[in-house]
Amino acid sequence: SAVISQKPSRDICQRGTSLTIQCQVDSQVTMMFWYRQQPGQSLTLIATANQGSEATYESGFVIDKFPISRPNLTFSTLTVSNMSPEDSSIYLCSVSTGSGNTIYFGEGSWLTVV
Amino acid sequence: AQRVTQPEKLLSVFKGAPVELKCNYSYSGSPELFWYVQYSRQRLQLLLRHISRESIKGFTADLNKGETSFHLKKPFAQEEDSAMYYCALDNYGQNFVFGPGTRLSVLP
Repeated sequence: SAVISQKPSRDICQRGTSLTIQCQVDSQVTMMFWYRQQPGQSLTLIATANQGSEATYESGFVIDKFPISRPNLTFSTLTVSNMSPEDSSIYLCSVSTGSGNTIYFGEGSWLTVV
Repeated sequence: AQRVTQPEKLLSVFKGAPVELKCNYSYSGSPELFWYVQYSRQRLQLLLRHISRESIKGFTADLNKGETSFHLKKPFAQEEDSAMYYCALDNYGQNFVFGPGTRLSVLP
């Protein structure tokens, strides 16, 4: 398994500002993902964070709005840019260790945009 | 397209009653399916995966390729089983596709 730490765990943000969420894993992992879980809804994949190259975004998500970095095999950041109330959500970092294709989740970052 | 459906948003059962959380999928090839659970104020965590054919906390799930289903079952529900349950599909090793989730409420 993998232990995943996300920061911040919770924040209230002003409309129009940007916030960067950090994800730290206790071991090197092959794949890191960012998901969004809006209130009362399921998980939606935002992008796959690729080490050393640009992230792979899912339909409906763009780099300008959700820039992602992954400088090494244990760390990634997701920035939510120019926030609006519609961005209020839980943002989840998850990782795949490549063993049995199981993925593990961080505790999530609750963002509220006012 | 790969898809996971969970027809019930909410399922309420009494303690000691059997429970079945339904999951259906669409996938080309041999699917790898998982059940994840999220207890109140806790992170999402793996409950079980079909390739392990294991029973966790009394839960089992059998992959039925003919019916494209992976229903989660437990013969006797406990109050501590109350949680959100998500069925998930490994999308060709690229990422995971999650169903909409079912909230299980076990009543005393």
